[in-house]
Amino acid sequence: DAGVIQSPRHEVTEMGQEVTLRCKPISGHNSLFWYRQTMMRGLELLIYFNNNVPIDDSGMPEDRFSAKMPNASFSTLKIQPSEPRDSAVYFCASSLPPGIGPSEQYFGPGTRLTVT
Amino acid sequence: AQSVTQLDSQVPVFEEAPVELRCNYSSSVSVYLFWYVQYPNQGLQLLLKYLSGSTLVKGINGFEAEFNKSQTSFHLRKPSVHISDTAEYFCAVSDRGSNYKLTFGKGTLLTVNP
Repeated sequence: DAGVIQSPRHEVTEMGQEVTLRCKPISGHNSLFWYRQTMMRGLELLIYFNNNVPIDDSGMPEDRFSAKMPNASFSTLKIQPSEPRDSAVYFCASSLPPGIGPSEQYFGPGTRLTVT
Repeated sequence: AQSVTQLDSQVPVFEEAPVELRCNYSSSVSVYLFWYVQYPNQGLQLLLKYLSGSTLVKGINGFEAEFNKSQTSFHLRKPSVHISDTAEYFCAVSDRGSNYKLTFGKGTLLTVNP
């Protein structure tokens, strides 16, 4: 398997523009997670899906952020309008259903977003 | 609510020396604990996990961790480090009450010097 695939790997955009980050989870995984990593705040969970349904979006910073999972093999995280404070590395991760406890999360390589 | 504290933001060591990266957690219920490693410009990958059973957990690359419930700790150890172990290490906690969400610590940057 190719692992979790994220695109683009790097994105530079101007404040006010719309940004769309994409993720393809590992085939057969039914949970998908979006994280944001910054020096100041570390690794934060933004939202996660089970079987394409959003389960917890309490980490989404504000209404400018939205995430969708139209099918089991694709998810998007959209920021509209983008602001400089959104600059961060955004990770997507996927996992199998939980067993005794949570299953291992497999992380993609991340998208480094810079908003100028 | 659950939380994780990694007491050291940076740990420099010499090659072949032992290392311990400290992690303390806070949770009101039974927990599941994880250590992930992040190499430069990569995503995180699982080193080891504690779900139940033996409190001493062995992971990949010669790392191990011990779950200590009374001290609410899950410290990561390796008896002899290599240059290639240079990376950022994240401790994470989860519990059934959080719907198995992972809460990560701020990370510890391990730098192994020759």
